[in-house]
Amino acid sequence: EPEVTQTPSHQVTQMGQEVILRCVPISNHLYFYWYRQILGQKVEFLVSFYNNEISEKSEIFDDQFSVERPDGSNFTLKIRSTKLEDSAMYFCASRKGRQDNSPLHFGNGTRLTVT
Amino acid sequence: AQSVAQPEDQVNVAEGNPLTVKCTYSVSGNPYLFWYVQYPNRGLQFLLKYITGDNLVKGSYGFEAEFNKSQTSFHLKKPSALVSDSALYFCAVREGSGGSYIPTFGRGTSLIVHP
Repeated sequence: EPEVTQTPSHQVTQMGQEVILRCVPISNHLYFYWYRQILGQKVEFLVSFYNNEISEKSEIFDDQFSVERPDGSNFTLKIRSTKLEDSAMYFCASRKGRQDNSPLHFGNGTRLTVT
Repeated sequence: AQSVAQPEDQVNVAEGNPLTVKCTYSVSGNPYLFWYVQYPNRGLQFLLKYITGDNLVKGSYGFEAEFNKSQTSFHLKKPSALVSDSALYFCAVREGSGGSYIPTFGRGTSLIVHP
């Protein structure tokens, strides 16, 4: 079964540094998502992406965040100037269609640790 | 706004006993409801969904869930728990039509099945 893959599995960075988290969604999926999960807390929506543009974003997704689909396969989340509170597990997800009732397919996540 | 409540942080059950993981939701209009499971260091995996039709839905690994519109609940159940069912379980909801198509997740419930 096709999978969403994320790299790296663990990223450690210093406060103020930029990080790029990478995702390869399932190949025939059209909608892409980033969620994050701070340790012990709920899974929070960050942003959704379709047709090379952001379709929805949450309040968390402020100016320090950006997303990009640089080529036909990768989907990246950039955090420009990391803060301690950005430490979390970041999950990429994809779905074939927006309005259908199919579930999201998640990657294994990238654990981001900001020191 | 849509929301999910998982009132129990942790559920403990003995192997072989039935298990229930609770979920209540709030959404405008008809809900699409989902359960996901997360094993350590892994992404969320889809278990089952309710879209319409029969209130009792069956999913992977012997799990089922019952949609109760009057109580706005979607509790996850399994008749006989296995030690391997120990994981973190997330309930999610989204509006079935109109509004945002972004699923909102609960905080998660840790299920521990004792041998």
